[in-house]
Amino acid sequence: QVQLVESGGGVVQPGGSLRLFCAASGFTFSDYGMHWVRQAPGKGLEWVSFIRYDGNKKFYADSVKGRFTISRDISKNTLYLQMNSLRGEDSAVYYCAKATVAYASSSEFDYWGQGTPVTVSS
Amino acid sequence: EFALTQSPGTLSVSPGERATLSCRASHSITTSLAWYQQKFGQAPRLLIYGASNRATGIPDRFSGSGSGTDFTLTISRLEPEDFAVYYCQQYGSSTWTFGQGTKVEIK
Repeated sequence: QVQLVESGGGVVQPGGSLRLFCAASGFTFSDYGMHWVRQAPGKGLEWVSFIRYDGNKKFYADSVKGRFTISRDISKNTLYLQMNSLRGEDSAVYYCAKATVAYASSSEFDYWGQGTPVTVSS
Repeated sequence: EFALTQSPGTLSVSPGERATLSCRASHSITTSLAWYQQKFGQAPRLLIYGASNRATGIPDRFSGSGSGTDFTLTISRLEPEDFAVYYCQQYGSSTWTFGQGTKVEIK
């Protein structure tokens, strides 16, 4: 069965960096686009970033553009989110999510991980 | 800037009753719309995609309709496990946006 397991979250000071991981299993990782979505405490869902199945297209929300970098390692079935210049408003639970349709960029998300919390605070 | 507006913010319904949730897009997205359910402390779960298609394993009391800019999620008879927050999402043209959510609470 499909499993997505995030890790790497924690407490970091403003201006600091953190790298999130999403270990994928139960499907052919190289065939699907992957997303990061975040949820601040008590707030709604905010899409953060997308990487195409082949890694050759990446998109970012305006709120993180230039500070966050999405990547993937097909050999390790792992999705990453490198977060730099972190701000208080980046504090959230970060979820990785899988696109439903293979090879498609525009698709809903059929599987989500349980999330990893990130707190940006001094 | 593209936006999805959900209404109402909170819906109070008794078990067994019908719930109707609305999602309005700032411009046409044809049928590139999904609905998700999120319970407290859990990840979202896909309910509906393509505006009206139920995801695998979703009970038929959940139905979606609409196209263009106006969409509806209907829960025909609320079960106790249906009380949660519901989000709509658009996924057209390599952009992804969520609505702010509708909380369905027990009346």
